[in-house]
Amino acid sequence: ETGVTQTPRHLVMGMTNKKSLKCEQHLGHNAMYWYKQSAKKPLELMFVYSLEERVENNSVPSRFSPECPNSSHLFLHLHTLQPEDSALYLCASSQVRLTGELFFGEGSRLTVL
Amino acid sequence: GENVEQHPSTLSVQEGDSAVIKCTYSDSASNYFPWYKQELGKRPQLIIDIRSNVGEKKDQRIAVTLNKTAKHFSLHITETQPEDSAVYFCAASRGGSQGNLIFGKGTKLSVKP
Repeated sequence: ETGVTQTPRHLVMGMTNKKSLKCEQHLGHNAMYWYKQSAKKPLELMFVYSLEERVENNSVPSRFSPECPNSSHLFLHLHTLQPEDSALYLCASSQVRLTGELFFGEGSRLTVL
Repeated sequence: GENVEQHPSTLSVQEGDSAVIKCTYSDSASNYFPWYKQELGKRPQLIIDIRSNVGEKKDQRIAVTLNKTAKHFSLHITETQPEDSAVYFCAASRGGSQGNLIFGKGTKLSVKP
């Protein structure tokens, strides 16, 4: 196992709902990431946290709100989403300043009705 | 910022044949080029990577070549097997804390028995 776990694996929500995605890494890494994977598009970097501080926000709409309470946990809070936000959301971690290799979780498949 | 183009988007080969996937990048400061494999319904996983001080790297049936002058790099899979069927993503970054991985759109490889 890669040591990065995501919950829930599948989520269906209405546009007015509020939900959260959770990611946990057991690898001792100090950087965590949220990526969005849509059909026929590259993996899109959403947020980067390094040493629990957000170091990058790739012009993501405010309806996505990340939270990193410690170096092992990362959340993505969702509210008033749109159908086009339906995608696979992948969490990843890495040891910054080393190889740069990303270790991905299995992803959370989100469907917005 | 970095832009990574990947071709082809789909590739079908007969078992035992070779497969080649090509990527170009735009940022001349990029120095780290990994390849990820994503099997259907699973997480992306690193299969091989190369740094800019090396022109070629091999790992059993997989090899990656890098041409820094032309800003392109390629993945070569020899003696393909059905279990090689997956989506392959190339990526580029400046490495470490100086840049995040920017991915190509992916190549869906199908190996027919």
